[in-house]
Amino acid sequence: RKEVEQDPGPFNVPEGATVAFNCTYSNSASQSFFWYRQDCRKEPKLLMSVYSSGNEDGRFTAQLNRASQYISLLIRDSKLSDSATYLCVVDTGTASKLTFGTGTRLQVTL
Amino acid sequence: GAGVSQTPSNKVTEKGKYVELRCDPISGHTALYWYRQSLGQGPEFLIYFQGTGAADDSGLPNDRFFAVRPEGSVSTLKIQRTERGDSAVYLCASSKTGTGYEQYFGPGTRLTVT
Repeated sequence: RKEVEQDPGPFNVPEGATVAFNCTYSNSASQSFFWYRQDCRKEPKLLMSVYSSGNEDGRFTAQLNRASQYISLLIRDSKLSDSATYLCVVDTGTASKLTFGTGTRLQVTL
Repeated sequence: GAGVSQTPSNKVTEKGKYVELRCDPISGHTALYWYRQSLGQGPEFLIYFQGTGAADDSGLPNDRFFAVRPEGSVSTLKIQRTERGDSAVYLCASSKTGTGYEQYFGPGTRLTVT
């Protein structure tokens, strides 16, 4: 089983739609969780951290369920500029390294 | 301020050759990481430096790969006897310190081994 699993997509959605991505992780000792965004042929950039209480940043909402080892990202009112690959990322804490999922590709269309 | 920089941006080399990839982290960041990303995959951890020392090199695939950070700033990833399977984008990231701080990535070096 992969340490971090994501549906690779692609998710093709019209502008204005709401889209949700899910991710599961295998290491129950994981301490920190993130969503990174990666545009084509560019480096990953932090989109948001994910907290147990859930957190929201504008149109983006992230949720963490430690019992199920499950992370989600919700994007409301999708924009064309949201088209990218979204990487689910887990930090084991003690190792200080990030473990990335393979990413979920989102394509927002007119 | 300046972000993480990596040179070269692209490197084409022949199988069996030696290559060096350079990373210049954000000033003041003590933690530095190397990752490798193959097509269609997420970045894969290679090695983590805290200051000058390699705190975790568990991701290096074999002894052909080596990295240094002699003065606690710039780091060089060295690959000996390159193989076609080494072709990937090599990403460097830095953070203020280790665990819990955001990692900022450089643009990567695209390595192609022919």
